[in-house]
Amino acid sequence: DIVLTQSPGTLSLSPGERATLSCRASQSVTRNYLAWYQQKAGQAPRLLIYDASSRATGIPDRFSGSGSGTDFTLTISRLEPEDFAVYYCQQYATFLFSFGPGTKVDIK
Amino acid sequence: EVQLVESGGDLVQPGGSLRLSCAASGFSFGNYDMSWVRQAPGKGLEWVSGICSSGCSPYYADSVKGRFTISRDNSKNTLYLQMNSLRVDDTAVYFCARHKDALRYNAGGDYWGQGTLVSVS
Repeated sequence: DIVLTQSPGTLSLSPGERATLSCRASQSVTRNYLAWYQQKAGQAPRLLIYDASSRATGIPDRFSGSGSGTDFTLTISRLEPEDFAVYYCQQYATFLFSFGPGTKVDIK
Repeated sequence: EVQLVESGGDLVQPGGSLRLSCAASGFSFGNYDMSWVRQAPGKGLEWVSGICSSGCSPYYADSVKGRFTISRDNSKNTLYLQMNSLRVDDTAVYFCARHKDALRYNAGGDYWGQGTLVSVS
């Protein structure tokens, strides 16, 4: 099974700043089958990035994904007030999917 | 408009059973693989089970294997999760999610339901 770790656990930033979130896999993620989700309190997750670097439909271009193999990054170029939330990475390279523990982006 | 609506969550005693449903609309349900994902109170997301559009063996997280069964009725556009031998640590909001690409299991979840709460106590 692929285990995902995310860092940092919490990221305290101000609106307008750049956010860099990391996701590391315990083994190589085949074909970079990795997604990023945003979740706000009381809501379902929202797909941001799939296949490591492709933006999902309707996602603003301030969100970008990069990486390959075992190391992946989600970058939010300039934080908007609505971007403060919890972010999860997910691998779907195997038949048994898995999520990372999440990174909370909160207001400094 | 794509919609996924879960139902069936309830308060149940340890050792009990429950069946969750996820009613799909707005897309060709029979062409899409689906998953169940859960979230315990105050915790992160946990993938539970996945099923392909038709004809393949379903997949389960180790934490639920042998106790939960995923199934679907494409004629009713509905996904199910039968949960047996429930434990206190199965308490969570359960979401259903559509795999993004038709006829492709290995894909992220592009549409999610609002979730249904299962409490085991």
